[in-house]
Amino acid sequence: DAGITQSPRHKVTETGTPVTLRCHQTENHRYMYWYRQDPGHGLRLIHYSYGVKDTDKGEVSDGYSVSRSKTEDFLLTLESATSSQTSVYFCAISEPGLAGETQYFGPGTRLLVL
Amino acid sequence: GNSVTQMEGPVTLSEEAFLTINCTYTATGYPSLFWYVQYPGEGLQLLLKATKADDKGSNKGFEATYRKETTSFHLEKGSVQVSDSAVYFCALSDRGNNNAGNMLTFGGGTRLMVKP
Repeated sequence: DAGITQSPRHKVTETGTPVTLRCHQTENHRYMYWYRQDPGHGLRLIHYSYGVKDTDKGEVSDGYSVSRSKTEDFLLTLESATSSQTSVYFCAISEPGLAGETQYFGPGTRLLVL
Repeated sequence: GNSVTQMEGPVTLSEEAFLTINCTYTATGYPSLFWYVQYPGEGLQLLLKATKADDKGSNKGFEATYRKETTSFHLEKGSVQVSDSAVYFCALSDRGNNNAGNMLTFGGGTRLMVKP
């Protein structure tokens, strides 16, 4: 299994509070991604990173920001959490050319915003 | 844009039954195609993939063939087991945006339940 961890694994928070989720990899892969998983929608891309300090928006980026200050860590921040951000969040990594086009996923973080 | 459509579930089968989960896609270029599986409480795991037309991906008894003419990538297994109960996601990889590496577009997922 690819070395990807996410923290926390579960979180309950209140509307309006800031929340930061962390993804940590030990594979030295260049690309990292944040997805959210909601019933009927599969996984939708929030933000991605193609290198240290290089990030861009995905399909559902509103209300989220990211940072990547070193290769192994990719942080997802909800500046002011809303109930619509209740979801399961997955981090993924890839290294095209080394592992083909495969993305490897972390175990997920279940977030509940009350 | 790109999109993936897969059959809605849940799909309920008896053990040793034949499985088909349909997946069709729309893409502007020549994507790679994937099936991922998610067991309860876990992240997604790559099940199989195909990178060009007529390629067949296979793993753990599951197979899928990249059909460009019908834009499909249906997942099949000849004899399912209770341990195959999971959610299955079809996805395609878009190589168009180099900065994004290999951007994945997912279908909505199909839950499979296999009864003994």
